[in-house]
Amino acid sequence: QKEVEQDPGPLSVPEGAIVSLNCTYSNSAFQYFMWYRQYSRKGPELLMYTYSSGNKEDGRFTAQVDKSSKYISLFIRDSQPSDSATYLCAVSRQLTFGSGTQLTVLP
Amino acid sequence: DAGITQSPRHKVTETGTPVTLRCHQTENHRYMYWYRQDPGHGLRLIHYSYGVKDTDKGEVSDGYSVSRSKTEDFLLTLESATSSQTSVYFCAISEGGQATDTQYFGPGTRLTVL
Repeated sequence: QKEVEQDPGPLSVPEGAIVSLNCTYSNSAFQYFMWYRQYSRKGPELLMYTYSSGNKEDGRFTAQVDKSSKYISLFIRDSQPSDSATYLCAVSRQLTFGSGTQLTVLP
Repeated sequence: DAGITQSPRHKVTETGTPVTLRCHQTENHRYMYWYRQDPGHGLRLIHYSYGVKDTDKGEVSDGYSVSRSKTEDFLLTLESATSSQTSVYFCAISEGGQATDTQYFGPGTRLTVL
C-alpha cells in the first residue's frame, strides 16, 4: 500500500465551481500535511500547510485534515481558469507525495 | 523559482552513458533534494543533502549518486543511464530539514534515455 493515495483525475469543472481534491494516507504518525500546486512544465510550489487535524483557510483555498479517517482535502471556492494545474498532497516529515490530481477549470 | 536553477533543462541520452544533472541555488539553504516525477507516482525522493559533503538516500536511490562540494551546488549522477530513468527530475531546497521547513522547487530537468 502506498503511503499516500491520490485520485489522479483528470478533473474538469466550470469556472466558479467548488472543487474538492482529496488524499488518503496510511501512517497515523504523520503530523504535517501539505498541498502543492504545479503548473504545466514548472516545479511544484507550496500552496498550503496544515499541522495535525482541523481546517486552514487562505483566501479561496481551504485545507482540511481528518486524522481519524486519515483523509486530507483541499477545497477551492469560486474556481478560476488560473487554478488549472496539478495539485499534489504531501505528508511529513520527509515529504511523501501523492501522485497528483490534474485540475482544469473551464471558462 | 526561489533562486534555484537546474541544468540542463532537457537532455536526451543513450542507455549506458553517464549523465550528470546540476542544481544551483543562490539562497544559501542548508538542505537540498533531488526528486524524480513520473506519471502515477508523484514526486519521489532520490537523495538529499543536509550540508556540504553530507548526503543521504531517499526512497528511490538505486542507480543514482550525488555530490555536494559547495553549499550552492548539488549534483545528481546516473552512472549508467537506463530507460527506466527517463523522467523529470526536480531539485528542491529548504532552510532546515523539518516538516515545517518549506521546500522550494526548481524548474525541472526532462531526461530521456533511449
